[in-house]
Amino acid sequence: KQEVTQIPAALSVPEGENLVLNCSFTDSAIYNLQWFRQDPGKGLTSLLLIQSSQREQTSGRLNASLDKSSGRSTLYIAASQPGDSATYLCAVRHLGSGNTGKLIFGQGTTLQVKP
Amino acid sequence: EPEVTQTPSHQVTQMGQEVILRCVPISNHLYFYWYRQILGQKVEFLVSFYNNEISEKSEIFDDQFSVERPDGSNFTLKIRSTKLEDSAMYFCASVRDRGMNTEAFFGQGTRLTVV
Repeated sequence: KQEVTQIPAALSVPEGENLVLNCSFTDSAIYNLQWFRQDPGKGLTSLLLIQSSQREQTSGRLNASLDKSSGRSTLYIAASQPGDSATYLCAVRHLGSGNTGKLIFGQGTTLQVKP
Repeated sequence: EPEVTQTPSHQVTQMGQEVILRCVPISNHLYFYWYRQILGQKVEFLVSFYNNEISEKSEIFDDQFSVERPDGSNFTLKIRSTKLEDSAMYFCASVRDRGMNTEAFFGQGTRLTVV
């Protein structure tokens, strides 16, 4: 059974710092991995998607990497800003799900960027 | 930019009452999903829907739950007799196709409070 874990659960950094959020999954048989942002009480905003054949994806100050064989992904945020404060979720689309496209989520990392 | 729309944003209902949560997926998407997030917990998959039928459902999705796409645009989740433990944020998601590079797009959620 696919399990997704995110470490740390919470992170507080001063503005301007570069930071890395971690996501691990137990079964490397995935189609893709998606990173989301969730503001308190709000929906999920897609940030980046990495296909299983890719190693990384970049969008602005965000860079996501994928090491499928070791079951790990990282989300790198450069030059963090207070507006980056949110919960970041990773989710995998697992091959074993019969390709219905369902996502399996980690519990998230809550980031606070202090001015 | 196209988006997934959910209504209502917040619903309060008495235990035992029926509720219907509504979603309008992105218009050219073919695969639809409901997820829920109990406060402080992971986002959990409930059900996937394709070609007017359920393609996969989780253990949570018991006989009290049903989904429907009544008119080609709306996608609804019905809970027949709500319980206190159904209190959660419910998210609708849609996906264009099942390709590896296909992102899932989520709505802003409906916060269901059962009293």
